[in-house]
Amino acid sequence: EEQLVESGGGLVKPGGSLRLSCATSGFTFSSYNMNWVRQAPGKGLEWVSSISISSSYIYYADSVKGRFTISRDNARSSLYLQMNSLRAEDTALYFCTRSPPGYCTSTSCRNWFDSWGQGTLVTVSS
Amino acid sequence: DIVMTQSPDSLAVSLGERATINCKSSQSVFYRSDNKDYLAWYQQKPGQVPKLLIYWASTREPGVPDRFSGSGSGTDFTLTISSLQAEDVAVYYCQQYYSSPLTFGGGTKVEIK
Repeated sequence: EEQLVESGGGLVKPGGSLRLSCATSGFTFSSYNMNWVRQAPGKGLEWVSSISISSSYIYYADSVKGRFTISRDNARSSLYLQMNSLRAEDTALYFCTRSPPGYCTSTSCRNWFDSWGQGTLVTVSS
Repeated sequence: DIVMTQSPDSLAVSLGERATINCKSSQSVFYRSDNKDYLAWYQQKPGQVPKLLIYWASTREPGVPDRFSGSGSGTDFTLTISSLQAEDVAVYYCQQYYSSPLTFGGGTKVEIK
């Protein structure tokens, strides 16, 4: 069974940085597109970023563009999210999610999310 | 951006009865070149992680009970729970993956009457 385990969350001051990691197992990581999805406390789901299998295609929500950077290491079966210039509105539970291959192109990653981690909580507060 | 609007915000249904959740997209999520609707449904039980139920608007994820079904095309979609069970209490979300940014509906909370 596939496993996705996020880490790296915590309390950070506005303007600070955090790096989230997602360690995966139980599936061939290098064959899947990957994503970050977040959920603010008591709120709905918000897509944050997607990365294709070979990192050729990367997309971000406008709310994080220029501040967050998604990356992956296929040799380590791991996904990352570098978050800079954090704001209070970035406070959320961040989920690492998996998507089937074949749907990332030069215009978008047409991803649905077939497997989710447990999430790591990021709190931005002074 | 494609806006996804779910209705109702919440509903209470008796055990064994049908629950119907609607999802409307601000523009069509039907892709003519492959004849598919780029629409997924998720279930999030209290205190749990979201779980994929349906993709391509009507394809059930393996292991999902057949009381869950998805229908619709273009801009109007429905998730139906044919006979509500106690374990189906959850918030349900639709999501379009037709174009970036990927967007979710606001969620529909299903409770037992």
